[in-house]
Amino acid sequence: EPEVTQTPSHQVTQMGQEVILRCVPISNHLYFYWYRQILGQKVEFLVSFYNNEISEKSEIFDDQFSVERPDGSNFTLKIRSTKLEDSAMYFCASRLDRLNYGYTFGSGTRLTVV
Amino acid sequence: DQQVKQNSPSLSVQEGRISILNCDYTNSMFDYFLWYKKYPAEGPTFLISISSIKDKNEDGRFTVFLNKSAKHLSLHIVPSQPGDSAVYFCAATSAYGGSQGNLIFGKGTKLSVKP
Repeated sequence: EPEVTQTPSHQVTQMGQEVILRCVPISNHLYFYWYRQILGQKVEFLVSFYNNEISEKSEIFDDQFSVERPDGSNFTLKIRSTKLEDSAMYFCASRLDRLNYGYTFGSGTRLTVV
Repeated sequence: DQQVKQNSPSLSVQEGRISILNCDYTNSMFDYFLWYKKYPAEGPTFLISISSIKDKNEDGRFTVFLNKSAKHLSLHIVPSQPGDSAVYFCAATSAYGGSQGNLIFGKGTKLSVKP
């Protein structure tokens, strides 16, 4: 069964450093997302990406965040200057098209900011 | 602002019995609802969904019921199996409202099915 692949599975970084979280969505999917889950809290929407541009973003997704699809396969989330409160599980997800809401999520990247 | 609420953080049931997980929402623009299952160290896995034009959707042991007037949905698992032990997330979206399908999740309910 096709999978969404995320790397690394765990990233530890110092406060103020830049991190890039990587995702390979399912190849024929058109919509891409990043979500995060702070420990013990709900899964929160960060950003959606369609047709090579951001289509929607939450208030969490401020200027410190950016997303890119540099080639036909990777989808990255960059945090420019990490803060302690950015520590969370970050999930990438993709879905086939506008009519299909059964997202496929990756296994997540646990980001720890120290 | 909790638009999707799962008021029970945990639920414990005996193997073979019915598990009922509940979810309430406040945003009347939501018209599509999904349930995801999550094991530790894994991403959420899509389980079942329902459109607001229906009040029931069934897939094997899993049935989702939607009560639009009460803004309430529930997931029934019958019979429950130990492998169903996981965290279950309710999610909602406005499929026809022009959004790009971003999901609003509840906080989840941890289901434990005891042998």
